[in-house]
Amino acid sequence: QITLKESGPTLVKPTQTLTLTCTFSGFSLSTSGEGVGWIRQPPGKALEWLALIYWDDDKRYSPSLKSRLTITKDTSKNQVVLTMANMDPVDTATYYCAHRDSSNRGDYWGQGTLVTVSS
Amino acid sequence: DIQMTQSPSTLSASVGDRVTITCRASQSISSWLAWYQQKPGKAPKLLIYKASSLESGVPSRFSGSGSGTEFTLTISSLQPDDFATYYCQQYNSRWTFGQGTKVEIK
Repeated sequence: QITLKESGPTLVKPTQTLTLTCTFSGFSLSTSGEGVGWIRQPPGKALEWLALIYWDDDKRYSPSLKSRLTITKDTSKNQVVLTMANMDPVDTATYYCAHRDSSNRGDYWGQGTLVTVSS
Repeated sequence: DIQMTQSPSTLSASVGDRVTITCRASQSISSWLAWYQQKPGKAPKLLIYKASSLESGVPSRFSGSGSGTEFTLTISSLQPDDFATYYCQQYNSRWTFGQGTKVEIK
């Protein structure tokens, strides 16, 4: 059974860097075809894809946020970390991580974590 | 970048109605399209993948069709549990989501 859970700060100040961790079980990022994605959703708004990391350490980023995002994996800990630099109040959102299967679909999602950006 | 456009943004319907939501891709994505259902305060749930394949455990009243750039999600007979927001997602190249369609009670 695949599960994922996001963790990190609930409140960050403008200009700070956000670091979120996705801890998962039920699959390994050392297995060919596996991946983890990050998605966010501002309150009352649509889902927005942020980044993907694959088993071979290939990485993909949203073009509009690429300059601010870094995604890394720790295979031994079953974790994926997303950092987003220079946070702004418009980055206030629920941040989700999701399992990416060998067909590139997001089939399992974490419960999400709400991050508020405010001074 | 592949853009996804959903319509309508809001849909008012009654229990038992047949409901159709449309999603258009800015370029061909073959059949690499998924549909998700999201309820308030919850993570999205995968309903349909590869445009028309039903995810395990999803009721058969949900169906998907299309290929290339035009896709539809159909709920054959709307049930009380189906009032939610639905998103399409392309996964041909990276991921992109549509802006969502809220299905509300008429």
